[in-house]
Amino acid sequence: GQNIDQPTEMTATEGAIVQINCTYQTSGFNGLFWYQQHAGEAPTFLSYNVLDGLEEKGRFSSFLSRSKGYSYLLLKELQMKDSASYLCAVRERDYKLSFGAGTTVTVRA
Amino acid sequence: GAVVSQHPSWVICKSGTSVKIECRSLDFQATTMFWYRQFPKQSLMLMATSNEGSKATYEQGVEKDKFLINHASLTLSTLTVTSAHPEDSSFYICSARTGNTIYFGEGSWLTVV
Repeated sequence: GQNIDQPTEMTATEGAIVQINCTYQTSGFNGLFWYQQHAGEAPTFLSYNVLDGLEEKGRFSSFLSRSKGYSYLLLKELQMKDSASYLCAVRERDYKLSFGAGTTVTVRA
Repeated sequence: GAVVSQHPSWVICKSGTSVKIECRSLDFQATTMFWYRQFPKQSLMLMATSNEGSKATYEQGVEKDKFLINHASLTLSTLTVTSAHPEDSSFYICSARTGNTIYFGEGSWLTVV
């Protein structure tokens, strides 16, 4: 099984940076995903890490440390539209995705 | 545009009836499809893994006789909620895998009244 932990809520101001941490325990790690989900909608893919290190994609970056069972999603130059839930998901060798409970990010003007 | 399509997006059904939700991969053949359920303000919970031509593998606690999954082709999987009850009201989302990539459908809101 797996145990995925991430903070419940975070608040930041427009233009700022926010870092969402995720810790996990899994028996067969095969990649870590970050998804963005707006209320009432399906998740949309943000990033994927399978090797240690930082993956940068525009305003969003994701970091992974497999030995520590740790990842973070970094959101830079926050915009109001970034207010959403951010889901950390761990993929196992059978390609099943297990999701954390999600972090609700609120961006204030 | 969407590469995985779910239908219907919204459905309301009476308690005791059955409802079918379709998940289609539009321009690729999906090796595997997954079905998730999400209650309000909760995360996605995997219900079952569906492989074409074989029986679905259900997660612990998910009743296979209540949530019937059929994966008749490499582009279509269906989830039928049988004898639906109000507590089955939820957001149901499918995803489809091709190679290392997983695409999510748009989700289907089910309300049982």
